[in-house]
Amino acid sequence: AQSVTQPDIHITVSEGASLELRCNYSYGATPYLFWYVQSPGQGLQLLLKYFSGDTLVQGIKGFEAEFKRSQSSFNLRKPSVHWSDAAEYFCAVGAGGSYIPTFGRGTSLIVHP
Amino acid sequence: DTAVSQTPKYLVTQMGNDKSIKCEQNLGHDTMYWYKQDSKKFLKIMFSYNNKELIINETVPNRFSPKSPDKAHLNLHINSLELGDSAVYFCASSYGTGETQYFGPGTRLLVL
Repeated sequence: AQSVTQPDIHITVSEGASLELRCNYSYGATPYLFWYVQSPGQGLQLLLKYFSGDTLVQGIKGFEAEFKRSQSSFNLRKPSVHWSDAAEYFCAVGAGGSYIPTFGRGTSLIVHP
Repeated sequence: DTAVSQTPKYLVTQMGNDKSIKCEQNLGHDTMYWYKQDSKKFLKIMFSYNNKELIINETVPNRFSPKSPDKAHLNLHINSLELGDSAVYFCASSYGTGETQYFGPGTRLLVL
């Protein structure tokens, strides 16, 4: 079975600073990887996903993530954070077919002005 | 147009009551899900339906009963509500069980 670890419960950054949110997964084959964002009081929205191909994927809102098989990681990055990026971020791993994606516990991003 | 909608958005009720939450998706997806998100934001899968058939039923009390009248709808009925049922319940849908999920806005349930 697949599993996901998001080691940081909270991350605090200043507006305009760069951001990296960590995600490590456990799965025997090539995984499907997702990052979702949940703004306060809202449902989850897909930021980006990796299924195959180029290991650097671009998403919405200026986010990108890089799949590193050797490190079993799929870290999310943004070069310059905006106050509106303050939200909860979830990494998820799936396997396609009949496997339901497993979600990490989430990382709460706090943005200081 | 709303892709995945849930009603009601807020639900406040007394312990012991029975309540239902409705979910509808207009994306043409064949798989739908119910998740429970606790106060620490942890997302737990409860149920998954594919083409109206139950495919996942995690360890959830049998007071929770999902019903899928058609591919576009997945409702959640909860009997004998308990304090611990207080949470945000999210409906989601996807083309396949491993694919991108589209989430509804959530139903905030508070049991008093």
